[in-house]
Amino acid sequence: RKEVEQDPGPFNVPEGATVAFNCTYSNSASQSFFWYRQDCRKEPKLLMSVYSSGNEDGRFTAQLNRASQYISLLIRDSKLSDSATYLCVVNPNQAGTALIFGKGTTLSVSS
Amino acid sequence: DVKVTQSSRYLVKRTGEKVFLECVQDMDHENMFWYRQDPGLGLRLIYFSYDVKMKEKGDIPEGYSVSREKKERFSLILESASTNQTSMYLCASGPANSPLHFGNGTRLTVT
Repeated sequence: RKEVEQDPGPFNVPEGATVAFNCTYSNSASQSFFWYRQDCRKEPKLLMSVYSSGNEDGRFTAQLNRASQYISLLIRDSKLSDSATYLCVVNPNQAGTALIFGKGTTLSVSS
Repeated sequence: DVKVTQSSRYLVKRTGEKVFLECVQDMDHENMFWYRQDPGLGLRLIYFSYDVKMKEKGDIPEGYSVSREKKERFSLILESASTNQTSMYLCASGPANSPLHFGNGTRLTVT
């Protein structure tokens, strides 16, 4: 099983739609989780951290399900500018290891 | 704002050349990382460093070396560039167990 798995998509949605991405992780000891956004030919940028209680930032909501070992990102009222690749990131919480990045899910929002 | 600066945005080198990619961060972060990103393969970790003069191999260290003589600077070295090292190279830095901040990448072409 891969350490961090995401559906690559693409997810093609119209403006105003609600879209959700899931990401599964294999290491049950993982302690912290993040979503990054990456625009075409640009560097990844932190979108939001994912807390156990879930967190919301405007149109974006992140959830963590430790029992099933997945995190999710929900985007409401999609905008054209939301078109990007969304990377799921897991901190395995092991000495001498680095954050683990998923390969990303591509979202395309059209008018 | 955290600034991670990579010395070159685009580089073209010949097979067999020694290539230096430089990265500097201005936030006194302990941790620095080098990734490469290729279509369909996502971000792959080459090397990382948790402190000055120390280094850890990532998932794909073959053909690369690194140097961290000062806390703010982390260099990636291709001892003898090969065409399969054509890629986007991304440097990142961050405090322990925290999200990473990325530089804007170096697109390296080896001909």
